[in-house]
Amino acid sequence: AQSVTQLDSQVPVFEEAPVELRCNYSSSVSVYLFWYVQYPNQGLQLLLKYLSGSTLVKGINGFEAEFNKSQTSFHLRKPSVHISDTAEYFCAVRQEGGSEKLVFGKGTKLTVNP
Amino acid sequence: DVKVTQSSRYLVKRTGEKVFLECVQDMDHENMFWYRQDPGLGLRLIYFSYDVKMKEKGDIPEGYSVSREKKERFSLILESASTNQTSMYLCASRLAGGPEETQYFGPGTRLLVL
Repeated sequence: AQSVTQLDSQVPVFEEAPVELRCNYSSSVSVYLFWYVQYPNQGLQLLLKYLSGSTLVKGINGFEAEFNKSQTSFHLRKPSVHISDTAEYFCAVRQEGGSEKLVFGKGTKLTVNP
Repeated sequence: DVKVTQSSRYLVKRTGEKVFLECVQDMDHENMFWYRQDPGLGLRLIYFSYDVKMKEKGDIPEGYSVSREKKERFSLILESASTNQTSMYLCASRLAGGPEETQYFGPGTRLLVL
């Protein structure tokens, strides 16, 4: 079975500062990795995904994430955040070649202050 | 654009009532999912369906049932609502296929059981 740990439940930052949201996973098999974003009162939207190949993945809205197999991590980064990035961010994993099931972390609430 | 719609954004029900949450997708996706989202717990899978009339239990199916009579529609049923089912419910759909296929989410239904 897979599990996902998002190490910070809340991350406050100032506008234009860099941010890193941390995600670690546990799995006995290879996995696919995802980051979703949820803006207030909305559903989840895919930010980016790692399936295979280059370990640095670029997504929408200037976000990127790096897959590190040895550390079982998939941290999300943005070099300069905007007020509009205020949202909740979810890391998720799915077993490679297996179930359709996505396993989500508990989420990190990013608050960007002026 | 893929569209996943949920019948209500907000719903208030009384303990013991039978509650139906409806989800419709317009992209001919085979797979559909129901999640429950609670603060600090992230998203937890209740049920999913990979075809009409097919369903599989997720992580927290107790107290819920589902119905998929048509490909585009997936209903979540609370047979006898209880206060601990007060939550945000999110529906999602995904094309069956390779790992590159994205899971798309609806806007959510916030259910309050009194």
